[in-house]
Formats: sequence, structure tokens, C-alpha cells
Amino acid sequence: GAVVSQHPSRVICKSGTSVKIECRSLDFQATTMFWYRQFPKQSLMLMATSNEGSKATYEQGVEKDKFLINHASLTLSTLTVTSAHPEDSSFYICSADLGGDTQYFGPGTRLTVL
Amino acid sequence: QQQVKQSPQSLIVQKGGISIINCAYENTAFDYFPWYQQFPGKGPALLIAIRPDVSEKKEGRFTISFNKSAKQFSLHIMDSQPGDSATYFCAASRARGVTSGSRLTFGEGTQLTVNP
Repeated sequence: GAVVSQHPSRVICKSGTSVKIECRSLDFQATTMFWYRQFPKQSLMLMATSNEGSKATYEQGVEKDKFLINHASLTLSTLTVTSAHPEDSSFYICSADLGGDTQYFGPGTRLTVL
Repeated sequence: QQQVKQSPQSLIVQKGGISIINCAYENTAFDYFPWYQQFPGKGPALLIAIRPDVSEKKEGRFTISFNKSAKQFSLHIMDSQPGDSATYFCAASRARGVTSGSRLTFGEGTQLTVNP
């Protein structure tokens, strides 16, 4: 149980385009979902926290107009990277919790912006 | 401000040996301390977690030791295997808030290599 999926697993896009990443909790309803980015050989950096039906809470330094988060239901959250640039290339990972302390992570999405 | 410090950055262990990774935290409000294992190109997977009311927790070959007064906790991997080669992250969180959820603060990570 507690499976989180992400789609797509890899995406390559041209600079200036927008990319949407989906995060789904497959066998549970997620109270809260989180979005992280991870650069090679570095730790996970929390970008934002989202609760279903409300606006996401962004971490300091994360541009909310660039990284749009929509938490449409208890099983789906999306991250849209708008007007992507090469510096946005990274590994994006979502996670979800069931209302307790444990976060369950998705498999990640590798974004490459050319 | 790095609230959870992890060491070492990398660790090489022989098969069958014990791998030990240490973490120290600053925020005394933290009350949940998980360890995650991450393979290249994959998301982190929960290994084991502990709360401050116990000093040790063991699950199979993995043990967490917790020292509340020193604000430190460590992961011990007994009988380390080549398949354990991965990056390990410690983390900490405080009691979940209504909007903050189980917000985790991660350590910097330890790249573990277990040689056959």
C-alpha cells in the first residue's frame, strides 16, 4: 500500500515551453502532498506543500508563478513548470502523507530543458 | 539554515561489515526521525523511523539509535550487502500542522558503497 506515482518519468522540452507533471496517490487519499526538486548528488529541496482544495504554500525563494501547483483532488496534484529554462532542469519528486507523519515518495520526474 | 546535519558524505564498506551514518539536529520541536534510501534515478523509499520516546529501533538489518540529549541519531546497517549501495537520507519533522502536513527537513545525504 501507500503507492505514489508520477507521470511522466522523463520529459525533454524546449526552452520557453511549459511542462506539467502529475502526482497521484494510487491506493490512498493524501491529506497533504509535497513537491521537491533534487539536483545531482544533492539532497531534496522542498518547493511547496499543498492541501486539496487550497492554495499551495511555497518555500522561500520558490517562484509560485513559475511553479504552478494544483491540488485538484485527494489523489492528484500537478506541478506545472511555466516558461521552462535550462536552469529548471532537475529531478522533481512528489510525496504524500495519509494524515500521519510518514511521507511516501513518487518515483520522480527527470526534466531536461534544452 | 541547515537544521539536520548528516555525516559522512560518502562511505565505503566491505560486504558483511557494518555501515554507520550519523545525523544531528537543532530543532528540539522535531519529534519524528525517518531514514530514506534512494537509488539513482528513483524516489526515496522509507527505510525505518523513530520517535524520541525510544532510544533504539530495529527492523531486520537496519537499526536506528537515538540520543535525545545530544540531539543525534544514527542508522546502522548490519551485514551490509552490495545491494545496499545507495544514497541514504536522514530527516526530521515536527508534529504535523493543518496546512504544513508532515513537513520533512532532510540531511545532506550519504552515498554508501558496499564492495563485494
